[in-house]
Amino acid sequence: QKEVEQDPGPLSVPEGAIVSLNCTYSNSAFQYFMWYRQYSRKGPELLMYTYSSGNKEDGRFTAQVDKSSKYISLFIRDSQPSDSATYLCAMSADYQLIWGAGTKLIIKP
Amino acid sequence: GAVVSQHPSWVICKSGTSVKIECRSLDFQATTMFWYRQFPKQSLMLMATSNEGSKATYEQGVEKDKFLINHASLTLSTLTVTSAHPEDSSFYICSAREDAGGGMGEQFFGPGTRLTVL
Repeated sequence: QKEVEQDPGPLSVPEGAIVSLNCTYSNSAFQYFMWYRQYSRKGPELLMYTYSSGNKEDGRFTAQVDKSSKYISLFIRDSQPSDSATYLCAMSADYQLIWGAGTKLIIKP
Repeated sequence: GAVVSQHPSWVICKSGTSVKIECRSLDFQATTMFWYRQFPKQSLMLMATSNEGSKATYEQGVEKDKFLINHASLTLSTLTVTSAHPEDSSFYICSAREDAGGGMGEQFFGPGTRLTVL
């Protein structure tokens, strides 16, 4: 079993829809939870960074962490075609990031 | 925000040659830099962690004699793929950590270098 599980997709939704992306994990020592966006042939770009449990909102993006269920989510409201990318979750107990496989998201105009 | 650059962005080389990739933190000092490789449609795989002025720590299964890492200054790390072969063709990404006093410093990623070995 991988430490971090993430459905690779692709996930295809119409423009304007609310998108929900998820990761589950097995290591209860993880404290830092991140979501990265990666466009094709580019390096990852940090979207959201959360320490421990709770919610964090930034514009159209909301990150949720449920440590009791070992489950994290990223919600994208009012999705745009420019949001089409691969979204990777990453988490850490110290400084080494453990990555999910990434979910390819396609927003259809 | 902090910027990390990589050079070159794309390189094609013949089998058996060596290729050097540079990773620079442009506006901050990076005590720690990380090197990842990513195959198509797969996630990032950590190859090694390098701290300025000391030897890199390689992940299990990564050949240290093949992937030479040098972190000579707080703003520059290099990855040299020695005697490259077609199976080394991949997307190589570096990241740099700006330490945040004992906690986990945020990692900033470079744009990646696409290596194609013929």
